[in-house]
Amino acid sequence: ETVLTQSPATLSLSPGERATLSCRASQSVDIYLAWYQQKPGQAPRLLIYDASNRATGIPARFSGSGSGTDFTLTISSLEPEDFAIYYCQQRKLWPPITFGQGTRLEIK
Amino acid sequence: EVQLLESGGGLVQPGGSLRLSCAASGFTFSNSPMSWVRQASGKGLEWVSAIRGGGGTFYTDSVKGRFTISRDNSRNTLYLQLNSLRAEDTAVYFCVRGPDQPFDYWGQGTLVTVSS
Repeated sequence: ETVLTQSPATLSLSPGERATLSCRASQSVDIYLAWYQQKPGQAPRLLIYDASNRATGIPARFSGSGSGTDFTLTISSLEPEDFAIYYCQQRKLWPPITFGQGTRLEIK
Repeated sequence: EVQLLESGGGLVQPGGSLRLSCAASGFTFSNSPMSWVRQASGKGLEWVSAIRGGGGTFYTDSVKGRFTISRDNSRNTLYLQLNSLRAEDTAVYFCVRGPDQPFDYWGQGTLVTVSS
C-alpha cells in the first residue's frame, strides 16, 4: 500500500497570504497525484490532477507541482473561501487507492 | 449537468446489511469506472471499492468478503451491498467517478450508521 503523508496537519494563514501544502508518497506514484478540497458538510472537490493540471473551473491561484514521491499544492493568494481541508490522493498503485490524512487550512 | 445521487443509507445493527444505490446522469456511465469512498465523522477519506465499466471489481482489504460492488449500465446505477456490518463501517459513503481517471465527480453522500 502506498502511504501518503501530508504536512503540515494544520496551516494557519491570513487572506492574501501564500499557502504551501506538502504530500509525500512512500513510493513513487509518477505524476498520478491529485488534490481535493473539502468544506464542512460537502463532498470533496477535485482541484488538481496528474500533479499539476487544474481541474475544470478551478481558479489559477491553485497550482500543483512535483513527481515521484514529493508533491506540493500552492495557493498563491488566499481567498476567504479557500479555508478548508485539503487531501492528496494517488492512483498509480492500486488497489488500494490511497488518500493523505489531510491538511486543515484555517484562518489566522 | 453531472449528477450522482446516493440513497439507501440508514441505521443498522451490527451484523446487519444495507444496499446503497447511486443514480448517475450527465455523463457516459457505462464507460466510466466508478468507486465508493467513505468518510467517518471528523476523519479522512477512505477508498472502499471500485468497478470498471466492463465489470472488474476491486476492494480495500477491510471490506473484502463483506461488501459487493455492482452496476447496472442500463439503469445508470451503481450499487454497494454491505453485509456483516461493523461499528467501524459507520461513515458517509460517497459515489465517485474513478479511479482510472481522477475522482472528478462526487455525489453528496449517504450516511450509514452501524449501532445497536
